[in-house]
Amino acid sequence: AQSVTQLDSHVSVSEGTPVLLRCNYSSSYSPSLFWYVQHPNKGLQLLLKYTSAATLVKGINGFEAEFKKSETSFHLTKPSAHMSDAAEYFCVVNLGTGNQFYFGTGTSLTVIP
Amino acid sequence: DTGVSQDPRHKITKRGQNVTFRCDPISEHNRLYWYRQTLGQGPEFLTYFQNEAQLEKSRLLSDRFSAERPKGSFSTLEIQRTEQGDSAMYLCASSRTTGSSYEQYFGPGTRLTVT
Repeated sequence: AQSVTQLDSHVSVSEGTPVLLRCNYSSSYSPSLFWYVQHPNKGLQLLLKYTSAATLVKGINGFEAEFKKSETSFHLTKPSAHMSDAAEYFCVVNLGTGNQFYFGTGTSLTVIP
Repeated sequence: DTGVSQDPRHKITKRGQNVTFRCDPISEHNRLYWYRQTLGQGPEFLTYFQNEAQLEKSRLLSDRFSAERPKGSFSTLEIQRTEQGDSAMYLCASSRTTGSSYEQYFGPGTRLTVT
């Protein structure tokens, strides 16, 4: 069974418009959730993390994500897209049962000028 | 804090050859992870160390793969008798041990091409 599902493989937005990248997870425990960004030919960079504190998590570069337990979701948002946001985004879950981290298949974000 | 480093960045080898990759984690991090990432996919967990102890291994890690972290600092990942299916980006990450909320810091990866 898939532990983490990114619902869109590709998202295109116009510069200055909102960004929504969707992620759902499956876990019977209290998960830790992360969003990472991967720019072309660069390493994975942590955007933000949820670790059972505040459900609305603010990250770097204006990104934020909301943990919704009832919906088992952890969607990533940004009010206004910038050209530099174009990259691959990964939702990651630690199920809370061990030390493995499970990556989604990624969402490629394109920002149209 | 110089970040996680990996060496080499690129490796081209012929099928059947052995290859070894090195990862140097952030110095105060006691956990070290290896992942494999193929084109269009997210990273897949291979194995993880806490200090020098290898605590978990994925079923993806066949007998041809071995990883070590002899002094609890740098780690090596060796692939013996490489196959074309081993072509991928191999990523290393490190983290502290702070309950379950530790985030991982990733290196730039080693891209392996098996011809």
